[in-house]
Amino acid sequence: DIRMTQSPASLSASLGETVNIECLASEDIYSDLAWYQQKPGKSPQLLIYNANSLQNGVPSRFSGSGSGTQYSLKINSLQSEDVATYFCQQYNNYPNTFGAGTKLELK
Amino acid sequence: QVQLKESGPGLVQPSETLSLTCTVSGFSLTSYSVSWVRQPSGKGPEWMGRMWYDGDTAYNSALKSRLSISRDTSKNQVFLKMNSLQTDDTGTYYCTRDGITTVFAYWGQGTLVTVSS
Repeated sequence: DIRMTQSPASLSASLGETVNIECLASEDIYSDLAWYQQKPGKSPQLLIYNANSLQNGVPSRFSGSGSGTQYSLKINSLQSEDVATYFCQQYNNYPNTFGAGTKLELK
Repeated sequence: QVQLKESGPGLVQPSETLSLTCTVSGFSLTSYSVSWVRQPSGKGPEWMGRMWYDGDTAYNSALKSRLSISRDTSKNQVFLKMNSLQTDDTGTYYCTRDGITTVFAYWGQGTLVTVSS
């Protein structure tokens, strides 16, 4: 199975700040990488697919980048509604696998 | 609009079988694939298996010996059956629909399954 390692595990940032979350795959996943946002008590929501494609309806302050084994999610101008846990997921190989998550809080 | 809703028992005895139903609306099961994803409390999600739009199935190898996914297209329902449940099978179970690619673009509200005697 492909292991997805996210960093950091938790993050505290101020409103308006730029935030970066990293995801490292244990082998090349050829940009078959998605990012999800999960707020407490809610289902995950798709933010980014194909490493850098923004899902319909997702604010443009969210962006994704990367290739090979290294990927990142960037949130520009952090808003209060962005407080959540973020997961990366690879869909290049079965079984599709997720990272353990990055919990984003406000400073 | 696209909707998925999971239903099933909230409590299952150890060694028993879990049966869940995902009822969908706003799309056809013969056009889009549906996956089951579960998530233990405080942990990352785990993909369990997929019912492809053409009726084929794919399973997580870690669960394949215990898991079965089927569907009834006339009722817009996808079913999950998993046997020999243990306490570490406790968590929230979601059904999801693929998007443009095989990502989980739409999620149900989830159903909490607790395995306990």
